[in-house]
Amino acid sequence: AQSVSQHNHHVILSEAASLELGCNYSYGGTVNLFWYVQYPGQHLQLLLKYFSGDPLVKGIKGFEAEFIKSKFSFNLRKPSVQWSDTAEYFCAAGGNAGNMLTFGGGTRLMVKP
Amino acid sequence: EAQVTQNPRYLITVTGKKLTVTCSQNMNHEYMSWYRQDPGLGLRQIYYSMNVEVTDKGDVPEGYKVSRKEKRNFPLILESPSPNQTSLYFCASRPLGRGTQYFGPGTRLLVL
Repeated sequence: AQSVSQHNHHVILSEAASLELGCNYSYGGTVNLFWYVQYPGQHLQLLLKYFSGDPLVKGIKGFEAEFIKSKFSFNLRKPSVQWSDTAEYFCAAGGNAGNMLTFGGGTRLMVKP
Repeated sequence: EAQVTQNPRYLITVTGKKLTVTCSQNMNHEYMSWYRQDPGLGLRQIYYSMNVEVTDKGDVPEGYKVSRKEKRNFPLILESPSPNQTSLYFCASRPLGRGTQYFGPGTRLLVL
């Protein structure tokens, strides 16, 4: 069965600090990977996605993620966070057929001004 | 504007009283899905539909039903709600293949 793990449940950073949120997946077959963000009181929005090709994926708002197949990881990074990045972040994995999308438990990020 | 809408946004009900949460999308997407979000568990898929009259179970289908009579609508039905179905529910849609999945604004359900 597929699974997605996000080991950091809560992260607190100061503005301008660098961010890395971990995501590990367990999936048989070709995997598609996603990071979603949920700002307080809002619905999920797609930050970035990886299907194939360059393992370093750039998304919106300065976020990027690197797919490392040997480590089954897809960590999210941002060089310098802002207060407006305070949100919950979800990693998700799905197969090529796209029937099911499995989410991690989420990481709550708080950025102190 | 491309969007996924859900109604109601907030609902308080009692155990055993049947309810329906509607979901509608205006993007002509084939694929639609329902998730529930619970603290520390992320989003878990309840049911999904690849097209009209085609539905399938996700990870946590027990206690829920869905139907897909029209392409744009995918209602979630709780025939006999129980307190453990208190949760935040999201509907989502996307085109078949690798298209981006769009989420609705969520429905917060409290079952007493």
